[in-house]
Amino acid sequence: DSGVTQTPKHLITATGQRVTLRCSPRSGDLSVYWYQQSLDQGLQFLIQYYNGEERAKGNILERFSAQQFPDLHSELNLSSLELGDSALYFCASSVRGAGANVLTFGAGSRLTVL
Amino acid sequence: DAKTTQPTSMDCAEGRAANLPCNHSTISGNEYVYWYRQIHSQGPQYIIHGLKNNETNEMASLIITEDRKSSTLILPHATLRDTAVYYCIVRGLSYNTDKLIFGTGTRLQVFP
Repeated sequence: DSGVTQTPKHLITATGQRVTLRCSPRSGDLSVYWYQQSLDQGLQFLIQYYNGEERAKGNILERFSAQQFPDLHSELNLSSLELGDSALYFCASSVRGAGANVLTFGAGSRLTVL
Repeated sequence: DAKTTQPTSMDCAEGRAANLPCNHSTISGNEYVYWYRQIHSQGPQYIIHGLKNNETNEMASLIITEDRKSSTLILPHATLRDTAVYYCIVRGLSYNTDKLIFGTGTRLQVFP
């Protein structure tokens, strides 16, 4: 157990639907990161939050949005889902969000869009 | 951040040392070398990182060449559970973000 908690572990939904993935960082970590891993794309960085504010953005689609709440948990919202959004979504956390930190990853949420 | 080049795949016999190379010839002075691994579809797992000096922890050793243009991750006694994709990532110190950008990594297969 890495200390980073992601829910749900598995999610099956239909095209056009909207889902929310949740991440609770390790105790004491202020920064959260979201990554997408599909079969043909590898691990892709989506977005980073630090203490509630967006810190860095990767190749995140406009249909996707995220936020970090005052209790530091984060949610990734995926809307108008397409078949190509089927992937593993990983959340990671770190203490400070910048510098030579180590990122700790959760076990992931597997999304299947039918 | 500097680009890295790793072999696509490697094999290693159980109980032997696994030596995973990484080339980062354009690395700059303030960039660290990080190693992570991903076992099957689990979340990536941190292994070790270093700047200039060789580093060792309970999982592995990291050997960085003197010119810092390449490094080697050493798993001293590989087990079947070490079968995974190993990612070498070079990341500079930033005041804004410490995000990691993953490449394609090396798929290590440990065989009995």
